[in-house]
Amino acid sequence: EVQLVESGGDLVQPGGSLRLTCVASGFTISNYWMIWVRQAPGRGLEWVANINQDGNAKQYVDSVKGRFTISRDNAKNSLYLQMNSLRAEDTAIYYCAKFTRSAGDTYWGQGTLVTVSS
Amino acid sequence: DVVMTQSPLSLPVTLGQPASISCRSSQSLVSSDGNTYFIWFQQRPGQSPRRLVYKVSNRDSGVPDRFSGSGSGTDFTLKISRVEAEDVGVYYCMQGSHWPWTFGQGTKVEIK
Repeated sequence: EVQLVESGGDLVQPGGSLRLTCVASGFTISNYWMIWVRQAPGRGLEWVANINQDGNAKQYVDSVKGRFTISRDNAKNSLYLQMNSLRAEDTAIYYCAKFTRSAGDTYWGQGTLVTVSS
Repeated sequence: DVVMTQSPLSLPVTLGQPASISCRSSQSLVSSDGNTYFIWFQQRPGQSPRRLVYKVSNRDSGVPDRFSGSGSGTDFTLKISRVEAEDVGVYYCMQGSHWPWTFGQGTKVEIK
């Protein structure tokens, strides 16, 4: 069975840091682009970051550039999101996903909640 | 950034009746490789998103054939031929042709 399990979400003060982890099972992430998408409470979806198969290509939405870093460890079948200088507007459920724009299965985790508040 | 505008934002439907959601992009979604990376997602209450349709009109595996996607350029549509109770949720369009990839605001489908 394919699973993506996120962890690391927490309550953090503005300016603080968190590292989210997404562990995959049932497939090997090394063959795929991986992504992070977030959803603020009661709001819509927002693309956060992409990373290619070997980690050499990364893309970020402007609002997180310079603060968030996406990375992967294919040997551990894991995806990460290092989040620094957190702001209240970063409060959201963060989903990781194996995603393709074309044919092929896409899988999503259940999400992990990040709350930025003093 | 490409702005994706969905309508309507709320769609009450009668079971067994058709439903249609529109999505318009602020620029053409034809990518530099000639493909149109336009996608529809479904998010049922309390669940993670699920991709329904990719590249405008291709249904994902396991998606019922009552769902169909169409459109080109800047105008796209998702149709449900006969709404069932399990179709309740929020539907999002998304473009993957131009970075940053962007979503529509979402259309909430509910049963009358």
